Amino acid sequence: SQQGEEDPQALSIQEGENATMNCSYKTSINNLQWYRQNSGRGLVHLILIRSNEREKHSGRLRVTLDTSKKSSSLLITASRAADTASYFCATASGGYQKVTFGIGTKLQVIP
Amino acid sequence: ETGVTQTPRHLVMGMTNKKSLKCEQHLGHNAMYWYKQSAKKPLELMFVYSLEERVENNSVPSRFSPECPNSSHLFLHLHTLQPEDSALYLCASSQELQGAYEQYFGPGTRLTVT
Repeated sequence: SQQGEEDPQALSIQEGENATMNCSYKTSINNLQWYRQNSGRGLVHLILIRSNEREKHSGRLRVTLDTSKKSSSLLITASRAADTASYFCATASGGYQKVTFGIGTKLQVIP
Repeated sequence: ETGVTQTPRHLVMGMTNKKSLKCEQHLGHNAMYWYKQSAKKPLELMFVYSLEERVENNSVPSRFSPECPNSSHLFLHLHTLQPEDSALYLCASSQELQGAYEQYFGPGTRLTVT
């Protein structure tokens, strides 16, 4: 069964606006990761947040993790057209921290 | 460039063909993975290798056969595939299997089975 579920499945915003994507999961995790995928390409790792962390920043990205609600959010501030891509959350759990991906959020940033 | 290369980038094959996908990582990583990505479905983990040893086969049909001759190379041998096997096949690597390490993905092979 799918571990991470992203919400919304699609998001369209104007350049300069902020974009927020959410991820919910079902079982306990060791860490949660966010990846970006441009159309038809491989995934690129953006940020990893451990289960004992609540917030993490990287450039224009801000990730929060609420383990009590089993949810995470990815905020992209001051979006750019180049941010247009699909964004996936992936949860790592279990003995060797098997990573399970969601379906993704398709973000379109309109110039 | 993520340091993970995949060839070919596109492949069209008939159901009776035999072909192989190749993945190479230049990062000195010890773990490698094969994923299948189909439209509107989550990324499906197919196989996991750690130090050239297969540690997971995620109920993948035997028409897919992985091979990991060394820690830098990973192959996926394909034979008698079905049209529903058409998808983007992604290879990834990570520093170690254990621990909190991000995965580095190749650009993928777009496979079409006719």
